[in-house]
Amino acid sequence: DAGVTQSPTHLIKTRGQQVTLRCSPKSGHDTVSWYQQALGQGPQFIFQYYEEEERQRGNFPDRFSGHQFPNYSSELNVNALLLGDSALYLCASSRDRGQQDTQYFGPGTRLTVL
Amino acid sequence: GESVGLHLPTLSVQEGDNSIINCAYSNSASDYFIWYKQESGKGPQFIIDIRSNMDKRQGQRVTVLLNKTVKHLSLQIAATQPGDSAVYFCAETGGNNRLAFGKGIQVVVIP
Repeated sequence: DAGVTQSPTHLIKTRGQQVTLRCSPKSGHDTVSWYQQALGQGPQFIFQYYEEEERQRGNFPDRFSGHQFPNYSSELNVNALLLGDSALYLCASSRDRGQQDTQYFGPGTRLTVL
Repeated sequence: GESVGLHLPTLSVQEGDNSIINCAYSNSASDYFIWYKQESGKGPQFIIDIRSNMDKRQGQRVTVLLNKTVKHLSLQIAATQPGDSAVYFCAETGGNNRLAFGKGIQVVVIP
């Protein structure tokens, strides 16, 4: 049973560019959440997708957008990259069962903005 | 707002000893709490969770204690091993299924 997978592993971009990160959830999971983790900090919630729609959003600008596909996989897009966007981007998946369910994390994508 | 914090940035533990990691939270509406372990270069790994209707839960070598009165959560690791060296995060959520994490604590196991 495959866990949460993310691609790419590492990415280097320059300021102003755009980036797309990808996530495949754990088998049987239908909800995907994205987090940003700066060096030495805990993950910060970006947004969550369920039934192909953004269900919740954290305090991130509109430059951060996402998508969920019918197979539950998800993408995170960041436009007009800033140096401060350099971080580890984590995807977590869970099942929507009407109550809090455990979120399982992928290995992350390390984004470096130069 | 939601806020989860840890008391100590680094915990050094002798191999074989028990470890206790403490965490305070401020959102009284939180009803689900999780401990994650993160090794260098990896994503957070689920360790154990507890819901607000419980005050203690045990797993393999780990125990989580929840004190809702003082909004305190702790993780106990029995017979700490070198493989337990990592950063540990407590996280909480209160009905919206969005996790709020603290900064984390580095556990260093001394052989």
